[in-house]
Amino acid sequence: QLQLQESGPGLVKPSETLSLTCTVSGGSISSSSYYWGWIRQPPGKGLEWIGSMYYSGSTYYNPSLKSRVTISVDTSKNQFSLKLSSVTAADTAVYYCASHNWNYEGDWFDPWGQGTLVTVSS
Amino acid sequence: QSALTQPASVSGSPGQSITISCTGTSSDVGGYNYVSWYQQHPGKAPKLMIYDVSKRPSGVSNRFSGSKSGNTASLTISGLQAEDEADYYCSSYTSSSTWVFGGGTKLTVL
Repeated sequence: QLQLQESGPGLVKPSETLSLTCTVSGGSISSSSYYWGWIRQPPGKGLEWIGSMYYSGSTYYNPSLKSRVTISVDTSKNQFSLKLSSVTAADTAVYYCASHNWNYEGDWFDPWGQGTLVTVSS
Repeated sequence: QSALTQPASVSGSPGQSITISCTGTSSDVGGYNYVSWYQQHPGKAPKLMIYDVSKRPSGVSNRFSGSKSGNTASLTISGLQAEDEADYYCSSYTSSSTWVFGGGTKLTVL
């Protein structure tokens, strides 16, 4: 059974780069069945899709964040990562990683990691 | 891209049925059968309830069902139970090869 776990700093200074890692267990990140995605949720607000990546390199980003976002995969560690540059207080949110199934079987995000709160503050 | 439109809140009594709508455009909800629904309890990660408009993952109660008409998708919960009280989010694939979520709906079981 696939499980995902986010890790990274809980506090980032304004203008710096937010970096998070998602460790995948119970399956291979190189599986042809899955993309790997990041979604965030500001405190008290709704979900926002950040981006999704296939292990071979295809990436899709939210247009509103595209200029600041990079998602990458490390197959040797069975991990994928999120980098968000030039952060401001508006980037304060719970960040979730998720397995993104997008193939002939359908389109869904499942399972999700437990989420990690990242606060942008000096 | 704009978030899909959901009602901020809905409510119902135990045993009743409720429906949550999710309105988009012909470039997302109306153009593809790639609408999914997620349940989120406070402090928890979202849980997949419906995918591809009306398909139910194994383990999800058959009290949950999905449908779509034009640019609006709907999630119906029948036989409401106290444990169904949560936030619900829809999501759709878009013509730009991106994904967009709805603003979320808070379900209160009276």
